[in-house]
Formats: sequence, C-alpha cells, structure tokens
Amino acid sequence: AQTVTQSQPEMSVQEAETVTLSCTYDTSESNYYLFWYKQPPSRQMILVIRQEAYKQQNATENRFSVNFQKAAKSFSLKISDSQLGDTAMYFCAFMKPLNTGTASKLTFGTGTRLQVTL
Amino acid sequence: DTEVTQTPKHLVMGMTNKKSLKCEQHMGHRAMYWYKQKAKKPPELMFVYSYEKLSINESVPSRFSPECPNSSLLNLHLHALQPEDSALYLCASSRRSLAGGPTGELFFGEGSRLTVL
Repeated sequence: AQTVTQSQPEMSVQEAETVTLSCTYDTSESNYYLFWYKQPPSRQMILVIRQEAYKQQNATENRFSVNFQKAAKSFSLKISDSQLGDTAMYFCAFMKPLNTGTASKLTFGTGTRLQVTL
Repeated sequence: DTEVTQTPKHLVMGMTNKKSLKCEQHMGHRAMYWYKQKAKKPPELMFVYSYEKLSINESVPSRFSPECPNSSLLNLHLHALQPEDSALYLCASSRRSLAGGPTGELFFGEGSRLTVL
C-alpha cells in the first residue's frame, strides 16, 4: 500500500516571501502521479499542481513549482511571492492508475496548514 | 460550467432519521466520488462510480448507501447513522485523459457538513 507523509502540520510565511512544503511517499510502483491540492477555509479543494513520475522535469504552475526527487521519493511544493489567498490546507496526494479506466484513487497526506501573514 | 454542486450545505439528523446528500455536475465527467473528511484530517475515500457503476466501495458501513441515477447525479443515502459519522462529506468528479486513462484531477464540491445527534 502507498503512504504519503507530510511532516509539517503548520507553517507560516509572510506575504511576498517564498515557502516550501514537504512531502514524502512510499511506493513500489514505477508509474504513478503526484499532486498538491489546496483546501482554503470553507471552500472547495482544488488542484494546484500535478507531476507524472516518468517525467524528470519538475512541474510549474505560475507561482507554484515542485521539486520532484524520484529516487528519494520526495515531492515538495514551493510557493513564490506568497499571497494572502494562498492561506489554506495543502494536501500532497499520490495516485496509481486504476484498472477502472476513468477513475482515480488518490492517497492523501495528512496536510500542512499554511498561514500567509501581512 | 466547472462546478460540482452539493446539497444541502448543512444537515443535522438524529440517529433514526433517513436523509440524502445530493451531488450534481455538468462537466461530462464519468467518474464520481464520495469522500468523508473529519476536521483537520485528509479526505477518506468512500465510494467511486465509473460510468454510473459502483467500482470502489472502501468497506463503508451499509448505513451509507450510494446511488448514481445518471451521469450527472450522485446521491448518498443515510440511515441509522452514529454520532461518529458527523463529518464533512465531499463529492468529486473527474474526467478521462486524452489517452483514455485517469488524470488524477478531481473537481470537488464545497461539501455537506453533517451532524448526527
């Protein structure tokens, strides 16, 4: 079974600064996907960034980028130029493609609560 | 329309009540999910429907009964719940990739917050 570990329950960063959230995972699979999801207070969870394990290049989405170290099974999220709207719970997630075709089964980490302050 | 709509947003029920949670999406997604989320915890998968057929049941107690009447709707019927079932219930949907497999991108609703007295 896959496990996803987020060792930082809470983090704080000042507006405009950079912060890195850590995530490690354990799997024997060679083909898989990794994600960071964001859940703002009282709002729905949304996908922040996605990484395919077979791609060596780190994924980037505007101010969000990842550092994917496959051998170390590490997948950290860097948020640059932090904004107040980045305040949220961030979940790292692992997915192994299912045989059901279209469906995805995600294994979530325990989450990191990020507070962006003025 | 990129929304997953869940109703009701809040529900309080007694242990002998029967109620239902409803989820709707019009994005053409053929996979739909129910998750349970306790405070400050990650979502826990309950059920997965793929092409309106139940494909995953994560050993959920029978007091939770899912139903997918069509490709846009997903219901969760609740009966004889326990206080420990109080939680945020999240619905999600996902689409296929161009290659036909899953993308891993789930579109979540805002959730239905359930309190069982």
